[in-house]
Amino acid sequence: QKEVEQDPGPLSVPEGAIVSLNCTYSNSAFQYFMWYRQYSRKGPELLMYTYSSGNKEDGRFTAQVDKSSKYISLFIRDSQPSDSATYLCAMRGYGGATNKLIFGTGTLLAVQP
Amino acid sequence: NAGVTQTPKFQVLKTGQSMTLQCAQDMNHNSMYWYRQDPGMGLRLIYYSASEGTTDKGEVPNGYNVSRLNKREFSLRLESAAPSQTSVYFCASSEASANTIYFGEGSWLTVV
Repeated sequence: QKEVEQDPGPLSVPEGAIVSLNCTYSNSAFQYFMWYRQYSRKGPELLMYTYSSGNKEDGRFTAQVDKSSKYISLFIRDSQPSDSATYLCAMRGYGGATNKLIFGTGTLLAVQP
Repeated sequence: NAGVTQTPKFQVLKTGQSMTLQCAQDMNHNSMYWYRQDPGMGLRLIYYSASEGTTDKGEVPNGYNVSRLNKREFSLRLESAAPSQTSVYFCASSEASANTIYFGEGSWLTVV
């Protein structure tokens, strides 16, 4: 079983839809949770970062972490064609063996105009 | 503002050939990384360097070697390429134990 599981998609939605992207994980030591966005033929770039449980909002993007369920989500409101990309969750613990970032496999999102 | 620069962008190798992927960053970061990305497998860490002069194995180090030449440069070498090493390779850098990792544009490697 992988430490981080992410549905690869593809996920196709119409412009303006609310998108929900999710990851589950198995290691309870993870404390830092990130979402990276990767456009086609480009390197990933950090979109959002959350520490421990709770919500974080940045414009149209909201990241949620539920540590009790080992489940994280990224919501995109009013989705735009420019949001079409692969979204990778990533997470790590603090110190020791869990200090390295572990990435999900990524979910491919297509927003149709 | 170059960030992380890696070369070459595309390369085709024959089985058994060797090659080196070059990477340089201009952000004065201590930590540098090499990842490979394969369909269905996500990003997997090959090697990383926490600081100049140190290197450590990641999740999939077999068949690779690295050199942290100085603070800016971190190269990845395939001594005897195998078809299983066909992948997209990303170099990245960050401050120590940071959550923001800055990636290069990727190097597409095909081994035939």
